[in-house]
Amino acid sequence: DGGITQSPKYLFRKEGQNVTLSCEQNLNHDAMYWYRQDPGQGLRLIYYSQIVNDFQKGDIAEGYSVSREKKESFPLTVTSAQKNPTAFYLCASSPGYKLSGANVLTFGAGSRLTVL
Amino acid sequence: DQQVKQNSPSLSVQEGRISILNCDYTNSMFDYFLWYKKYPAEGPTFLISISSIKDKNEDGRFTVFLNKSAKHLSLHIVPSQPGDSAVYFCAASETSYDKVIFGPGTSLSVIP
Repeated sequence: DGGITQSPKYLFRKEGQNVTLSCEQNLNHDAMYWYRQDPGQGLRLIYYSQIVNDFQKGDIAEGYSVSREKKESFPLTVTSAQKNPTAFYLCASSPGYKLSGANVLTFGAGSRLTVL
Repeated sequence: DQQVKQNSPSLSVQEGRISILNCDYTNSMFDYFLWYKKYPAEGPTFLISISSIKDKNEDGRFTVFLNKSAKHLSLHIVPSQPGDSAVYFCAASETSYDKVIFGPGTSLSVIP
């Protein structure tokens, strides 16, 4: 079954620690995305990558870092510089460049990060 | 500044009736619009999309209407079912492969 796997599902972190959230896809998609969900604020884009070894900042990139060394993988590191890291994090992928049609994202099940 | 707005945080509808979820946008460069449905602690799932060259797209019980001059779109669900109770997100992008911007969501409750 093709899909997106996010791990861990739940993660607890002490203040001052960096954590890395994993995102793996076997859909052969070129583009991958990280969103953050907070109550009442919907999904906000953190980083996205349209091709291996390239990525762009989204609307709320401060305090986060990513890498895209492989097509299948797009890990997100939440650094100690992120002031309010407690949130639900969603990874998504899409085919990337298309001649027509909407950019339909496929999402993973999410990772909930809680800072203690 | 939010480029995609959903001004109703919540909506309650009786089972069998029509649900109408609204969305407004500010970026006139948006050419593609999508609706996603999300249950708690799960990832969103794609429902339906529409491009700016159309004003209506229908898929079963779901219909999306686009009014480009008003920068407004709506999702109609007919008839509404209890399983439709979820958070609905409106989203938009400028091209068929560009980043997708989401609205804050509307929580729909369908009452049996």
